[in-house]
Amino acid sequence: AQSVTQLDSQVPVFEEAPVELRCNYSSSVSVYLFWYVQYPNQGLQLLLKYLSGSTLVKGINGFEAEFNKSQTSFHLRKPSVHISDTAEYFCAVSDLPRFQGGSEKLVFGKGTKLTVNP
Amino acid sequence: DVKVTQSSRYLVKRTGEKVFLECVQDMDHENMFWYRQDPGLGLRLIYFSYDVKMKEKGDIPEGYSVSREKKERFSLILESTSTNQTSMYLCASSSPPTSGDPYEQYFGPGTRLTVT
Repeated sequence: AQSVTQLDSQVPVFEEAPVELRCNYSSSVSVYLFWYVQYPNQGLQLLLKYLSGSTLVKGINGFEAEFNKSQTSFHLRKPSVHISDTAEYFCAVSDLPRFQGGSEKLVFGKGTKLTVNP
Repeated sequence: DVKVTQSSRYLVKRTGEKVFLECVQDMDHENMFWYRQDPGLGLRLIYFSYDVKMKEKGDIPEGYSVSREKKERFSLILESTSTNQTSMYLCASSSPPTSGDPYEQYFGPGTRLTVT
């Protein structure tokens, strides 16, 4: 079964500083990986996804993530954050398709709250 | 743009009342999901559905039921609310891996339910 660990529950940073939000997953099969962002009192919005191909994935709002199969990690990075990046970020991994005995669910980590201070 | 809408943004109910939370998506997605979100616990899957009339239990189905009479609509039912069901409820939809964006889930804005 898949699982996702987000290593930091809260990350405070100053505006214009770089940030890395860490995500490790466990899975015995090839997976798809996602990062979602949730702004206060809103639903989740897709930030980026890794399906295949280049291990460096670029997303919206200047975020990028690197898929590392050997370390089973998918860390999210941004070189310079803004106040408006304050939000909660969720890493997720896909389950197998139903025709392969899976459920097509996404398994989410518990989230990392990013707070950008002036 | 994919749109997932939820019937209410905020609800306040008394213990023991019945609650219907409705979710509608406009992208003809087969899969639909209900989650609850609580601080420190992330998203927990309550129920999901692959098609009309189908439902599958998620990780925390106790105290909840669902209904999917039409492909675009997935309802979460709390038969008799209790205070421990105070939470944010999120609905999502997705296509199966053979079509569209595999696995990507599109979320509604959420319903914040308070049970007093």
